[in-house]
Amino acid sequence: AQSVTQLGSHVSVSEGALVLLRCNYSSSVPPYLFWYVQYPNQGLQLLLKYTTGATLVKGINGFEAEFKKSETSFHLTKPSAHMSDAAEYFCADPGAGSYQLTFGKGTKLSVIP
Amino acid sequence: NAGVTQTPKFQVLKTGQSMTLQCAQDMNHNSMYWYRQDPGMGLRLIYYSASEGTTDKGEVPNGYNVSRLNKREFSLRLESAAPSQTSVYFCASSIQGANQPQHFGDGTRLSIL
Repeated sequence: AQSVTQLGSHVSVSEGALVLLRCNYSSSVPPYLFWYVQYPNQGLQLLLKYTTGATLVKGINGFEAEFKKSETSFHLTKPSAHMSDAAEYFCADPGAGSYQLTFGKGTKLSVIP
Repeated sequence: NAGVTQTPKFQVLKTGQSMTLQCAQDMNHNSMYWYRQDPGMGLRLIYYSASEGTTDKGEVPNGYNVSRLNKREFSLRLESAAPSQTSVYFCASSIQGANQPQHFGDGTRLSIL
């Protein structure tokens, strides 16, 4: 079964600073990878989706993620953090031919004014 | 524009009581899922329904049962609630399978005393 590792359960950045949230996957050949965001007391919302062949994936709210097969990574970035970005972020891997989406344990992002 | 609707939003039970969590989606999706979310654990799949008429176990099915009532509705039942089942429960749906983005409800916060 695939696993998803998110480094750092809690990340703090200053408003306007770069956001970098790390995700490493274990699937041998991930056809798809996802980043989701969860605001307090809400369900998860899709930020972006990787599909085979892409390297840099753009999502909503100015976020993007870079797929690096050599590093088995799919890190999420945003050039300039806003207060509204404070939330918990989850990386997820469906594996190949599966109905089971495996989530990382999440990274809670705090934005300091 | 309801998406995925979960009821109830909050519930407190006593150990040994039973209850059913309801989920309905209006997006004509084929696949539906039940997750539980615990602090520091990310989301873990309890059961899923690949399509109407089918259900399968996920990562943590013990103590739960599900029913795919029709294409729209997927319910989760706790037959004899235990304190270890205190959690936030999320229902999600996707067009077909985990390779497609999942749409989440706002969750049911369940406490078992």
